[in-house]
Amino acid sequence: DQQVKQNSPSLSVQEGRISILNCDYTNSMFDYFLWYKKYPAEGPTFLISISSIKDKNEDGRFTVFLNKSAKHLSLHIVPSQPGDSAVYFCAATQTGANNLFFGTGTRLTIIP
Amino acid sequence: KAGVTQTPRYLIKTRGQQVTLSCSPISGHRSVSWYQQTPGQGLQFLFEYFSETQRNKGNFPGRFSGRQFSNSRSEMNVSTLELGDSALYLCASSLVLAGVDEQFFGPGTRLTVL
Repeated sequence: DQQVKQNSPSLSVQEGRISILNCDYTNSMFDYFLWYKKYPAEGPTFLISISSIKDKNEDGRFTVFLNKSAKHLSLHIVPSQPGDSAVYFCAATQTGANNLFFGTGTRLTIIP
Repeated sequence: KAGVTQTPRYLIKTRGQQVTLSCSPISGHRSVSWYQQTPGQGLQFLFEYFSETQRNKGNFPGRFSGRQFSNSRSEMNVSTLELGDSALYLCASSLVLAGVDEQFFGPGTRLTVL
């Protein structure tokens, strides 16, 4: 049973525009959420996270929004750059746990 | 500082065989977690080891097992391989008290079962 879902397998965005990647979760016990970026032949690298006590966290061009009532989070990348082309995974966990529940990933392609 | 290393990077096995994958964490990291990545399921948590003890386990059959050595290096073993075990196996390491956002992933071992 997939507890974290990314319903868009792929997304193409023009360079300079905003990229919005979405993620939904079903387990109400999750209280910590993360986004990872993965290039081919490399392991995922941590991008940004958010605790359930917040509804927004920003780090440079990356902002994550959390809507707890809808069990939905999104990652905004502004402006999008060619180097952002990668697969993005959403993940969730409970504070204190060291295991992550991942979504199936969204392949983002930035068009120059 | 060297990153997480996994060996081998690629492996081809046949059904019924068994396989052992190895993971060397970042120096000083004592927690090692293993994940399976398949196209339809994304990354799924297998287990986590800390100080040679399994601390946490995902929902995988007993054919999947692991261990951790005193130098924090970890191995995972899959016995009686099935076609569905074909996947990318990733390990991640972290410090003792680090949260999940301090997990660092290796490049993975691509296992193909024929």
